[in-house]
Amino acid sequence: DSGVTQTPKHLITATGQRVTLRCSPRSGDLSVYWYQQSLDQGLQFLIQYYNGEERAKGNILERFSAQQFPDLHSELNLSSLELGDSALYFCASSTRANEQFFGPGTRLTVL
Amino acid sequence: GESVGLHLPTLSVQEGDNSIINCAYSNSASDYFIWYKQESGKGPQFIIDIRSNMDKRQGQRVTVLLNKTVKHLSLQIAATQPGDSAVYFCAERNRDDKIIFGKGTRLHILP
Repeated sequence: DSGVTQTPKHLITATGQRVTLRCSPRSGDLSVYWYQQSLDQGLQFLIQYYNGEERAKGNILERFSAQQFPDLHSELNLSSLELGDSALYFCASSTRANEQFFGPGTRLTVL
Repeated sequence: GESVGLHLPTLSVQEGDNSIINCAYSNSASDYFIWYKQESGKGPQFIIDIRSNMDKRQGQRVTVLLNKTVKHLSLQIAATQPGDSAVYFCAERNRDDKIIFGKGTRLHILP
């Protein structure tokens, strides 16, 4: 158990819909990272927050957005969903930049 | 540009033998590398890291070797056990604190 929690574990929705994925980092970790893992693309970095502020941006679509709240939990919002958005979405947290601890992931299926 | 890749998508090893998983990178400015293990249904788990000023680093049953001349790193697992079955990712951390993952090698342990 990494100490990072993610909800929900599974999510099934339809194209065009909007969903919110939630992540609670390890106690004391200020940084939260979001990744997308699909079969053909491997793990793709989406975005990082540090203590409530956006720190780095990766391959995140404009339809996606994230935020980190004062209690340090983070949410990833995915809108206008497409079939290709079906993937595993991981959250990771860290104190040191070197070592990230990953949550169990949310499996999103868009039908 | 930055890209981290693995040579083989799948590797099968006899239980008790040593496993060697390879990774090539293209950015000669990369200065920090990480190996992650991802078991089925779980998020990636940090195994070991290495900085570019080192050629070799050892952990418990694992060794990472870095050859900067040919931009290659490898993960060696000694006395492979059934619990080592997983997908192994090499990753590079860039100056922007982003982690760039390769596509992964699935390690199968043969009885």
